[in-house]
Amino acid sequence: DVKVTQSSRYLVKRTGEKVFLECVQDMDHENMFWYRQDPGLGLRLIYFSYDVKMKEKGDIPEGYSVSREKKERFSLILESASTNQTSMYLCASSRTLAGRSGENIQYFGAGTRLSVL
Amino acid sequence: AQSVTQLDSHVSVSEGTPVLLRCNYSSSYSPSLFWYVQHPNKGLQLLLKYTSAATLVKGINGFEAEFKKSETSFHLTKPSAHMSDAAEYFCVVSAESGGYNKLIFGAGTRLAVHP
Repeated sequence: DVKVTQSSRYLVKRTGEKVFLECVQDMDHENMFWYRQDPGLGLRLIYFSYDVKMKEKGDIPEGYSVSREKKERFSLILESASTNQTSMYLCASSRTLAGRSGENIQYFGAGTRLSVL
Repeated sequence: AQSVTQLDSHVSVSEGTPVLLRCNYSSSYSPSLFWYVQHPNKGLQLLLKYTSAATLVKGINGFEAEFKKSETSFHLTKPSAHMSDAAEYFCVVSAESGGYNKLIFGAGTRLAVHP
């Protein structure tokens, strides 16, 4: 079974703090993703990475950065947390299927619920 | 551009009755479509996927979905609801952007199952 592990289930931080959310996958997947989930909005893509040290902006990258120094680990960084970043954050990973990239199934972690006070 | 619309934000059924969760999609080419489920305090789990093979797709836990191109729909059904089906369900389309494939999620439908 694919396992995607997010280091924290719940985090409480103060406005202006630097926040690190960590994600590790154990299936040697090339692709990793960070989403935020808000009621009524579904999941929105923040950043993704298709290889070590590579990153691409998603739909809502403002206020976030990412780091991928090793294939299995993908970190989301909030440089200066703000109250509007209070949300559920979900990490996912997937394999690249040559010629069939639209079929790639993403596997998700359990999520980190972040509260910024 | 690809998008999905889940037509109901909440659906409530009695245990043992059929489930219907509605999804319409928009895609400029033949899409890949998925349904994911999220149980409380859990990550998302793939229920089923459509990738241009059979139009009726069977998934886990007795769920199935039918791809109807003429109606641009991909509704999720189950003949008989179980209490354990209570969860949030997401309809998802795969979209190409900048040479990469990414998933576009619907807003979700929360399914409640009553005894």
